[in-house]
Amino acid sequence: GAGVSQSPSNKVTEKGKDVELRCDPISGHTALYWYRQSLGQGLEFLIYFQGNSAPDKSGLPSDRFSAERTGGSVSTLTIQRTQQEDSAVYLCASSKTSGRRGEQFFGPGTRLTVL
Amino acid sequence: DQQVKQNSPSLSVQEGRISILNCDYTNSMFDYFLWYKKYPAEGPTFLISISSIKDKNEDGRFTVFLNKSAKHLSLHIVPSQPGDSAVYFCAASRTSGSRLTFGEGTQLTVNP
Repeated sequence: GAGVSQSPSNKVTEKGKDVELRCDPISGHTALYWYRQSLGQGLEFLIYFQGNSAPDKSGLPSDRFSAERTGGSVSTLTIQRTQQEDSAVYLCASSKTSGRRGEQFFGPGTRLTVL
Repeated sequence: DQQVKQNSPSLSVQEGRISILNCDYTNSMFDYFLWYKKYPAEGPTFLISISSIKDKNEDGRFTVFLNKSAKHLSLHIVPSQPGDSAVYFCAASRTSGSRLTFGEGTQLTVNP
């Protein structure tokens, strides 16, 4: 079946502009996660949606970052007034609520470059 | 505060030999551990996991060992193949399905 998809695959923007990144999780997966990977770093947790519960936003680095998940499916990560330090690969993942192994399935990522 | 650490940024092994990738963690609340493999320009793919109630889990050529008292886990790949060359990430969570905390990754190169 279809995996997690993300769009765009690459985004180049100018400092100060807003960007929106999209994630389509695997159908039927109730949990959705956003992570980012800066150059030479591991993956850093940003935000987590689980069903209809309030999202865990504890990983968002600043109030310029926000995310929403509409209809329990598609999610959009918005970065306002982008800064050069926002340049990274943004990865989305989804998982079943009661996955036997608990693994998260990742999309290919969106590479964001802020000039 | 790096709660999950992979101290070796790179590892090189010969085809057919064993690859051992190591990971240490500091948070005693972690009870679920996973290994992911990542190729360039792709998202990480799940390899194998282990719950804190176990000390070993095997899946084909991949075995994960967990030493809770030492807060250490390792991934063994036997025999190693050139297609295993990738970045390997160790990850941990407090419950299955919750947010993952990742290590920095280890670049494994398997030479033919």
